[in-house]
Amino acid sequence: AQTVTQSQPEMSVQEAETVTLSCTYDTSESDYYLFWYKQPPSRQMILVIRQEAYKQQNATENRFSVNFQKAAKSFSLKISDSQLGDAAMYFCAYSQTSYGKLTFGQGTILTVHP
Amino acid sequence: NAGVMQNPRHLVRRRGQEARLRCSPMKGHSHVYWYRQLPEEGLKFMVYLQKENIIDESGMPKERFSAEFPKEGPSILRIQQVVRGDSAAYFCASSPPTSYNEQFFGPGTRLTVL
Repeated sequence: AQTVTQSQPEMSVQEAETVTLSCTYDTSESDYYLFWYKQPPSRQMILVIRQEAYKQQNATENRFSVNFQKAAKSFSLKISDSQLGDAAMYFCAYSQTSYGKLTFGQGTILTVHP
Repeated sequence: NAGVMQNPRHLVRRRGQEARLRCSPMKGHSHVYWYRQLPEEGLKFMVYLQKENIIDESGMPKERFSAEFPKEGPSILRIQQVVRGDSAAYFCASSPPTSYNEQFFGPGTRLTVL
């Protein structure tokens, strides 16, 4: 069975600074998807970024980028120029290529200080 | 294109009552997933449905819980004889038939069992 682990229950960052959230996963599949979701206080799940395992290039979405290390089964999220609106719970998630069921990590609460 | 709709947003039930949670997927989406988020935890997969079919219910508790996605109308997650441990946020996500890994989440239903 696939597992996703987020070892940082809480992180904090100063506004305009950079922060990295960690995620590791375990799978025997060679092709799969990895995701970072943001859950603000409204509880709405918002997709931040998606990475396909067969793609070597790390995904980037504006201020959000990932460091995908397939051999190490590591998938970290870097948030540059942090903004107050980035404060939320962040979840790392995994799914198989041909099957949409998501397996989530425990989450990391990100606090952004002005 | 309206997003994934869930209703009610908040539901209060007394122990022993039934809870019915509804999910209307995005237009053109034929795949529906239900997830449960217990307090202070990540989301856990419950069930994956396509129109008139349950594809994977490996995350559903064996008793009291059932789900359906009829040919017409919303998907329903039904919890019979609710207990306090059922108090959680229940999220629905939908994906198009050709892209399992593009899941869009609804705002969730927060169930409180008194």
